Amino acid sequence: NAGVTQTPKFQVLKTGQSMTLQCAQDMNHNSMYWYRQDPGMGLRLIYYSASEGTTDKGEVPNGYNVSRLNKREFSLRLESAAPSQTSVYFCASTLRTGGITGELFFGEGSRLTVL
Amino acid sequence: AQSVTQPDIHITVSEGASLELRCNYSYGATPYLFWYVQSPGQGLQLLLKYFSGDTLVQGIKGFEAEFKRSQSSFNLRKPSVHWSDAAEYFCASSGGSYIPTFGRGTSLIVHP
Repeated sequence: NAGVTQTPKFQVLKTGQSMTLQCAQDMNHNSMYWYRQDPGMGLRLIYYSASEGTTDKGEVPNGYNVSRLNKREFSLRLESAAPSQTSVYFCASTLRTGGITGELFFGEGSRLTVL
Repeated sequence: AQSVTQPDIHITVSEGASLELRCNYSYGATPYLFWYVQSPGQGLQLLLKYFSGDTLVQGIKGFEAEFKRSQSSFNLRKPSVHWSDAAEYFCASSGGSYIPTFGRGTSLIVHP
């Protein structure tokens, strides 16, 4: 049982390049999230998908786009990378039932450096 | 809007000493509360959670937390800390929202 799988684990980009972070979960969860983690800032939500077919902005969506490809997969795209997007990115998923958001299951993170 | 506050950015303890990490939440209805641990270079892992019932909850790795509604707190405790407990600890809350709210985290340093 793999849980939440993120790829790639490490990536170095030049300013202006684009890339997509992939995330897949095998727990039949309905809600998925993308966070970034920076020193002293905790976790900040970029985008989330409450259910298949829906996506919504979080706290820091500028410069990012997402796609909920199906129930399992939720990708994060940087169209034109900037040094301010250097961060560690985490994908997470959860089962939301009865109006309650349960515990989040996290991937191992993707460390992105933009030069 | 709900919020979660972890007042301590860093906590330093000696190995074998007891530990308490503080967490305060702000939410009108019954909160659903979580503690996560993040080891260096890893993702977050659930330590324990509180949804209802007994206000003292047990988690993995010998951790426990107590929900105190009167103080809006959900503090994490461990009676004897091991060097391997050095990590970042996050308190989180979810209620009716799709978006869990995380505290800023507390970094635990363990001295031998």
